[in-house]
Amino acid sequence: DGGITQSPKYLFRKEGQNVTLSCEQNLNHDAMYWYRQDPGQGLRLIYYSQIVNDFQKGDIAEGYSVSREKKESFPLTVTSAQKNPTAFYLCASSMNIGAYGYTFGSGTRLTVV
Amino acid sequence: ELKVEQNPLFLSMQEGKNYTIYCNYSTTSDRLYWYRQDPGKSLESLFVLLSNGAVKQEGRLMASLDTKARLSTLHITAAVHDLSATYFCASSLTYNNNDMRFGAGTRLTVKP
Repeated sequence: DGGITQSPKYLFRKEGQNVTLSCEQNLNHDAMYWYRQDPGQGLRLIYYSQIVNDFQKGDIAEGYSVSREKKESFPLTVTSAQKNPTAFYLCASSMNIGAYGYTFGSGTRLTVV
Repeated sequence: ELKVEQNPLFLSMQEGKNYTIYCNYSTTSDRLYWYRQDPGKSLESLFVLLSNGAVKQEGRLMASLDTKARLSTLHITAAVHDLSATYFCASSLTYNNNDMRFGAGTRLTVKP
């Protein structure tokens, strides 16, 4: 079955460390996205990518980095520059063209310890 | 800039009652989406509304879109406990979907 896989489900980070969250899709979708969700809040866009080797900043890109070397993969690195990284991170994908909503992964819960 | 606002943010209702969640967006847009999120889980797509006057229904949920008023509604009919979740609306400005913005969500609790 096609879908989006995020890993790990839970991640603990020490202060000053960089961590990378994985997102893989086998839906043949062109575009991929990273969102951050804080408790009781909506989703805020971090980065998105429409095609391989290209990506754009969203509303809260500071302290994060991404790469898009393959169509299927869009990993997110939370760097030590992100001052408040504890949150629920959701990856999504969609076709670039057409009236489709996003397909979301199951999320990664990141906690700074 | 596209902004999406939902109200209410919290909704507690009894089983069997009806209620409506409202979603306002700030710019002229040609599409509106509704998602459901269960606690600790991911988002599930419920409805895609593409044009003025569009109405979609699935079970006890019905969504509609008024592009002139920049308003979408999610109507709940005869609520049941299984509908307890957080509901998000989202809107995109362009045809290619890459600028979707989400509302803050409405946390619905249905009590027996």
